[in-house]
Amino acid sequence: AQSVTQPDIHITVSEGASLELRCNYSYGATPYLFWYVQSPGQGLQLLLKYFSGDTLVQGIKGFEAEFKRSQSSFNLRKPSVHWSDAAEYFCAVGANTGTASKLTFGTGTRLQVTL
Amino acid sequence: GAVVSQHPSRVICKSGTSVKIECRSLDFQATTMFWYRQFPKQSLMLMATSNEGSKATYEQGVEKDKFLINHASLTLSTLTVTSAHPEDSSFYICSARGHWDTEAFFGQGTRLTVV
Repeated sequence: AQSVTQPDIHITVSEGASLELRCNYSYGATPYLFWYVQSPGQGLQLLLKYFSGDTLVQGIKGFEAEFKRSQSSFNLRKPSVHWSDAAEYFCAVGANTGTASKLTFGTGTRLQVTL
Repeated sequence: GAVVSQHPSRVICKSGTSVKIECRSLDFQATTMFWYRQFPKQSLMLMATSNEGSKATYEQGVEKDKFLINHASLTLSTLTVTSAHPEDSSFYICSARGHWDTEAFFGQGTRLTVV
């Protein structure tokens, strides 16, 4: 069975500082990996995804993530955080089959940005 | 493209009544739809997967008679919470996938409050 671990429940960074949110997954083959962002009371917005190819993936809002097979990780990064980035971030894994869209989510990391 | 719309965005109902939540794919045919539930400050948990024209597949621990899912057309799936109780209060999110898509697209979510 697939699983996702987001070790950090809550992270606080200063505006303008760099950000890295950790995500580790468990899956028997090469997974499909996603990062979503959720603002309070809102749905999910896809930041980026990895299916295959280049292991460094660029997303929206200046985010990027790197797939590291040896570490079973897919950490999300941003070089300079903006106050509007404060939200909940979810990493998710989907099976590399026709059911890729059936996702298993991590527990989420709440990002707080201080001015 | 790939827009999924949920309705209503918020609903308050009395205990014992039933509530129907709609999930529509606006610009593509959704052969598969997924329903997730999110408790406050927690991650999303998959409740069920529905394929157009067939019965939904429920995840372990999800009551089929409590959460009725219908996927009668390629653009619409409904989740009916029957005889709702306060413990059913939650954020419900759907996602939809077309036949040739490797990922599903999320709706905005529905906040259900049972009083």
